[in-house]
Amino acid sequence: RKEVEQDPGPFNVPEGATVAFNCTYSNSASQSFFWYRQDCRKEPKLLMSVYSSGNEDGRFTAQLNRASQYISLLIRDSKLSDSATYLCVVNLMDTGRRALTFGSGTRLQVQP
Amino acid sequence: ETGVTQTPRHLVMGMTNKKSLKCEQHLGHNAMYWYKQSAKKPLELMFVYSYEKLSINESVPSRFSPECPNSSHLFLHLHTLQPEDSALYLCASSEGRKAGELFFGEGSRLTVL
Repeated sequence: RKEVEQDPGPFNVPEGATVAFNCTYSNSASQSFFWYRQDCRKEPKLLMSVYSSGNEDGRFTAQLNRASQYISLLIRDSKLSDSATYLCVVNLMDTGRRALTFGSGTRLQVQP
Repeated sequence: ETGVTQTPRHLVMGMTNKKSLKCEQHLGHNAMYWYKQSAKKPLELMFVYSYEKLSINESVPSRFSPECPNSSHLFLHLHTLQPEDSALYLCASSEGRKAGELFFGEGSRLTVL
């Protein structure tokens, strides 16, 4: 089983639509969670951290479900500029270790 | 504008060549990373330097050799690579207390012939 698993997509949605991605992780000891965004042929950039209580940043909402070991990202009122690959990232904070595990990403294509 | 700069952006090398990738960060961070990104695969962590000391080596083949001469610079020395090593190599940095917030360079796209 992959450590971090995502549906690769692509998710093709019209402008203005609401779209949600899920990501599952295998290690129940995982401590912190993030969503990164990667545009085509560009480097990944942090989109938002995911807190236990859930958090919102404008049109983006992230949720964490520890019991089921998944995190989600909801995008409301999709814009063309939201087209990108969204990477789910999990941090397993082993003693003396500090490194992130990335999912393969979910590709979103917002269409006019 | 990125605070992490990688050179070269593109590199083509033969299997017997020796080359190096360079990364420089201008963010005052104390951790630097090398990741490998291959098509349709997740980012693979290769090496982590923390306070200029190698803290993580993810069982990377010895044909990849990292070097961190100071907190702002990171190198990846390459020799006798294989065609399957062709990939995008991404450098990143982070501030110690915010290990989840990585700042990536634009990457060096490597092709091994």
